[in-house]
Amino acid sequence: DAGVIQSPRHEVTEMGQEVTLRCKPISGHNSLFWYRQTMMRGLELLIYFNNNVPIDDSGMPEDRFSAKMPNASFSTLKIQPSEPRDSAVYFCASSSSGGVGELFFGEGSRLTVL
Amino acid sequence: QKEVEQDPGPLSVPEGAIVSLNCTYSNSAFQYFMWYRQYSRKGPELLMYTYSSGNKEDGRFTAQVDKSSKYISLFIRDSQPSDSATYLCAMNPQGGSEKLVFGKGMKLTVNP
Repeated sequence: DAGVIQSPRHEVTEMGQEVTLRCKPISGHNSLFWYRQTMMRGLELLIYFNNNVPIDDSGMPEDRFSAKMPNASFSTLKIQPSEPRDSAVYFCASSSSGGVGELFFGEGSRLTVL
Repeated sequence: QKEVEQDPGPLSVPEGAIVSLNCTYSNSAFQYFMWYRQYSRKGPELLMYTYSSGNKEDGRFTAQVDKSSKYISLFIRDSQPSDSATYLCAMNPQGGSEKLVFGKGMKLTVNP
């Protein structure tokens, strides 16, 4: 079975540019999460969706960040305009209802903003 | 004080050593305790979970929870180079993944 698929795997961009990260969750999972990981702060939850509806976006750093989930098989995280402090690895994860809370992570998108 | 504290290491041990990884937490409502393993340039994956207090064993791995001390541990026996990874503790007050709180992760290297 295919896992969570993220693209691009690597992105290098210049400050001020728009960045769009993409995620395809595991089929049948109804929750989708966007995390950011840095050495300093570890893994931080940015936003999560349940049944395509944003439930908690309190982790989104500021208005430059936005996320959408137009259907059950696709989500995007957009940063506009990007800044050097946005450099991090961004993970998408999905899970199904109930259970103990196992998250299935993608391989991440490594973003470098120059 | 952060909800979950984890020493980021790094920790380097020889092959065959017993490894102890630990996390402390402040929220007494946490009931589900998990350990995720993250290989270099990969996403984290669930290694083990326990509910409430007690021990759970899976092969060379043992997860231990002491709720009275708000302290959890992961022990790795007979460590192997393939165990080299970052280990993140995670916990939440109820089942499900919505309120999962992660530690920062401890980077472990097992040297052959």
